[in-house]
This record gives sequence, C-alpha cells and structure tokens, in this order.
Amino acid sequence: GAGVSQSPRYKVAKRGQDVALRCDPISGHVSLFWYQQALGQGPEFLTYFQNEAQLDKSGLPSDRFFAERPEGSVSTLKIQRTQQEDSAVYLCASSLISVRETQYFGPGTRLLVL
Amino acid sequence: AQKITQTQPGMFVQEKEAVTLDCTYDTSDQSYGLFWYKQPSSGEMIFLIYQGSYDEQNATEGRYSLNFQKARKSANLVISASQLGDSAMYFCAMRDSDRGSTLGRLYFGRGTQLTVWP
Repeated sequence: GAGVSQSPRYKVAKRGQDVALRCDPISGHVSLFWYQQALGQGPEFLTYFQNEAQLDKSGLPSDRFFAERPEGSVSTLKIQRTQQEDSAVYLCASSLISVRETQYFGPGTRLLVL
Repeated sequence: AQKITQTQPGMFVQEKEAVTLDCTYDTSDQSYGLFWYKQPSSGEMIFLIYQGSYDEQNATEGRYSLNFQKARKSANLVISASQLGDSAMYFCAMRDSDRGSTLGRLYFGRGTQLTVWP
C-alpha cells in the first residue's frame, strides 16, 4: 500500500480483556516501530523490529505487552489483561532500511479500556 | 530527563502569516537527528522535515524550514504563509544515539497546538 496501515482504528475493551493491534508497514520497509501516545502527550517508544527480529523491547511497560513480526512484514502488538492505564493511541511506524532513516507513521489505533 | 522540550502548548497565527514553533533538545551525543511531525485531529503523524546534527545548512521543505542552532540546542520549526489546513498538533522529535540499545527510537516533545485563523 501507499502508507502504513493499522487496524482496528478504534478498539473498546473491558478491563481484563486481551487485545491485538495490527500494523501493515510500507511495502519493503525493514524497520518497524511501535509507540504509545497517551492523551495530551507525545508518543513514547515501545519496541522495534528489524525484519522479524525484535531488537529493542525496552519500552514495553509491562509483561502484559507483547509484540511480534513473524515474517518480517505485518506486526501485531498484543496487550493481555488490559488495564485502564493502557488507554492510549498506539502508533506504528516504519522506515526503509536503516534506523537512521525517517520513520513514517500509520493512523494509529485508539484503545479505550473501560 | 526530558530530551525534547516544547514550551508552547498553543500558538495562534493568522492565515498567510509566518509562525515559529519552538523546540529545544538535550543530548550528549555528537550525531543525532531532529524531526518535526504534524498530527491533525485524524491522528496520523505526518513527517515534515529532518535536520541532521552535522548538516551545516538549515533544512527546508517547501513552506517549512528548520532553524537549527546547535550551540543553543534548539531546532525551531518555521512555517511560512500559514494556511487553514496547517491547524494541527506539531511534534518535535529527536533520534540520538547512533549505536547501542536506544538506536532508532524517537523521543518526542509534548507538542504545540497550532491554530490558523482566517
């Protein structure tokens, strides 16, 4: 596709539910990033993939958060046993090859945990 | 410690006027990159402009220019000839370390909400 796509765009979950957020990066982009953006804040780094390898997951806030990119293209961010503080916009970004290149973002998934 | 500081929560500018959005950064690295992104109400982060720490000239992209003052650690965004469609949240971001565990991640400020009025 022309840009990064994410689905669903909106997700409402009851506290304790598991959710899965999908990211389709720009075709051919090697690097993929996940960020979390709380209301009124700038995005904060969660994790980074180069192809299928997760090279940095230091930003994941707890072991309830898990990300994968098994074939080096589509990525899924999974949140288990959601809590109200998980409510945020989850942004996915990709860059062509090197992490030094510009990251292009998707529209985000707005997660609301009730 | 906050790596990116945007001190203007909101800015107002009249259509066709120029506006400057402030950004200061903090890093001890010699090699780093500075970015500006625009986030309309739809939520997508749109890349606007990039400045590398070793670039001697200020970056420009159409109506956007980056006023890079390395000694002051500032990277202000200048938008010339503002348009109504420029109304959005603007984020300054930095990629610092060229190596090590933080390679690649962007650090964002809290953003500045720009409103362009007719």
